[in-house]
Amino acid sequence: EAQVTQNPRYLITVTGKKLTVTCSQNMNHEYMSWYRQDPGLGLRQIYYSMNVEVTDKGDVPEGYKVSRKEKRNFPLILESPSPNQTSLYFCASSPRVQSYEQYFGPGTRLTVT
Amino acid sequence: DAKTTQPPSMDCAEGRAANLPCNHSTISGNEYVYWYRQIHSQGPQYIIHGLKNNETNEMASLIITEDRKSSTLILPHATLRDTAVYYCIVRVIDYKLSFGAGTTVTVRA
Repeated sequence: EAQVTQNPRYLITVTGKKLTVTCSQNMNHEYMSWYRQDPGLGLRQIYYSMNVEVTDKGDVPEGYKVSRKEKRNFPLILESPSPNQTSLYFCASSPRVQSYEQYFGPGTRLTVT
Repeated sequence: DAKTTQPPSMDCAEGRAANLPCNHSTISGNEYVYWYRQIHSQGPQYIIHGLKNNETNEMASLIITEDRKSSTLILPHATLRDTAVYYCIVRVIDYKLSFGAGTTVTVRA
């Protein structure tokens, strides 16, 4: 089944404890992206990747890192999480950079205390 | 991106057509109208998109007015599983999406 998977789905952590949220797609898509969704603020892009080893900042990149060493994987790293990073996170992929359809993962609900 | 305006919520009876309006009076000539939906905090799901002409796929129909300042998403036979937040987005086809508040659609039996 073609899909985008994220792990973990739920995570509660403490301020400053490094964490990684994994994202993987099995559709051989070139483009991958991370978003966060917050009440009243909608969906905002954190980072994106146009291909392996090519990443760039989205609208809200502060406090996050990403890497794209393989085409299928695009992990999101929070080196020192803070409470304002409590959010619902989505990974997405699409066949090309300019594509009308993005395929989203199921989401990761992160709480930082 | 052109700004969109959607009603915050609407109800629909199961089996009936659901017509979801979207106003985008500042749309530019190269901007498309997209619709996505999100079922209860799941990942957003693409529904349909269009530029000028009306479009139909297995999920929905998209009707765009001739002046392109507004559009309507039509779910022809709404089911309970169509209960979701529906987002109307106007932008060029590129690498980034952003959603606003959308319309919360509740399909009632």
